[in-house]
Amino acid sequence: QSALTQPASVSGSPGQSITISCTGTSSDVGAYNYVSWYQQHPGKAPKLLIFDVNKRPSGVSIRFSGSKSGNTASLTISGLQAEDEADYYCSSYTSSSTLIFGGGTKLTVL
Amino acid sequence: EVQLVESGGGLVQPGGSLRLSCAASGFTFSTSWMHWVRQAPGKGLVWVSRINSDGTSTNYADSVKGRFNISRDNAKDTLSLQMSSLRAEDTAVYYCARGASARFEHWGQGILVTVSS
Repeated sequence: QSALTQPASVSGSPGQSITISCTGTSSDVGAYNYVSWYQQHPGKAPKLLIFDVNKRPSGVSIRFSGSKSGNTASLTISGLQAEDEADYYCSSYTSSSTLIFGGGTKLTVL
Repeated sequence: EVQLVESGGGLVQPGGSLRLSCAASGFTFSTSWMHWVRQAPGKGLVWVSRINSDGTSTNYADSVKGRFNISRDNAKDTLSLQMSSLRAEDTAVYYCARGASARFEHWGQGILVTVSS
């Protein structure tokens, strides 16, 4: 199964908002509300930011929010900060009882 | 504090086998879904396998099905991944992750597996 589709890179200035899209199919993103988002800094393990489309784990900044429409999920980061510069990955449950990640998006804070 | 510590990685020849372990602490291991996720050098995350809390249900990515076997020992709070018929494309950092059935809430630091002659 092919990876979910994410833009390779996005950028924004401090204080701005950016949105990262994650496009799947009717067998994964479109079929279940089991979309999650992860942040990964270089050389570090990923960190869960959003689960079940729009839920935030305890301790994650309210600047991070998630949504979904059809086969596309989105992660929005508001009030961009320098420390937000990282790679971001979406993941989804699939109709094959597996999980799948997006290809990843590199966020640059200008 | 949740801790996941992977071990067992290293260099293995193509066609060889390797067993990864993940020692868990700081949470009730026996009630948690567990996953393996890998990341080839410079590449993205790829889900490998998952196992339910009592070990009765497992799932695998197509790329490893029939070659990898996930298991757990709830008495020892340990997750394992037995890898066989290894290929160059299996070279990656392997992460152990704790979570629900469809998400990864906590991650280990990762362990490198290199498949090369």
